[in-house]
Amino acid sequence: GAVVSQHPSRVICKSGTSVKIECRSLDFQATTMFWYRQFPKQSLMLMATSNEGSKATYEQGVEKDKFLINHASLTLSTLTVTSAHPEDSSFYICSAVGLGRETQYFGPGTRLLVL
Amino acid sequence: GIQVEQSPPDLILQEGANSTLRCNFSDSVNNLQWFHQNPWGQLINLFYIPSGTKQNGRLSATTVATERYSLLYISSSQTTDSGVYFCAVERSGQAGTALIFGKGTTLSVSS
Repeated sequence: GAVVSQHPSRVICKSGTSVKIECRSLDFQATTMFWYRQFPKQSLMLMATSNEGSKATYEQGVEKDKFLINHASLTLSTLTVTSAHPEDSSFYICSAVGLGRETQYFGPGTRLLVL
Repeated sequence: GIQVEQSPPDLILQEGANSTLRCNFSDSVNNLQWFHQNPWGQLINLFYIPSGTKQNGRLSATTVATERYSLLYISSSQTTDSGVYFCAVERSGQAGTALIFGKGTTLSVSS
């Protein structure tokens, strides 16, 4: 099956710093990647859709200048949380879908804690 | 937008019991997937099932697309089945778009 990795798995940072999260498709080329956020005991909420070589499409209410997404290759998308604040603390999950594939595959997630 | 509703929100079972989880969706869909989120947060694909019936071991799923619902059956439940089960759909006509998740069913299986 398809494998998607995320790095780091967890990160603790000080308020005001920036954090970069990587999402990689390990054994397939991902034409599209998605970034979700999940607060404790809640469902996954889509933040943005990332297509290789083009600008990400953000969901309503998600600040594109705060959550920078770069999909530089068919196997890598990055999410950078800029000037992080405690309210940005959450579980961030990426998913990827490959050309001709039907199923979306999810990474293991990144737990961000902003102090 | 499309609405995805899951029931029940919480389910407590004794080991060995069977259960049925339901997912209702408000519009036609291209894709429907069931996931199990383990205690560490990893989403595990259970089924890709936009229509029809599939079985995998003790789990099976049925989607009746014309009536806009899907069911996940868990038989002979085990403690390792505990966790949150999500149903997620992709809107029809928009292949390759993001999945829209229901709020999940939290399953607790005790020995």
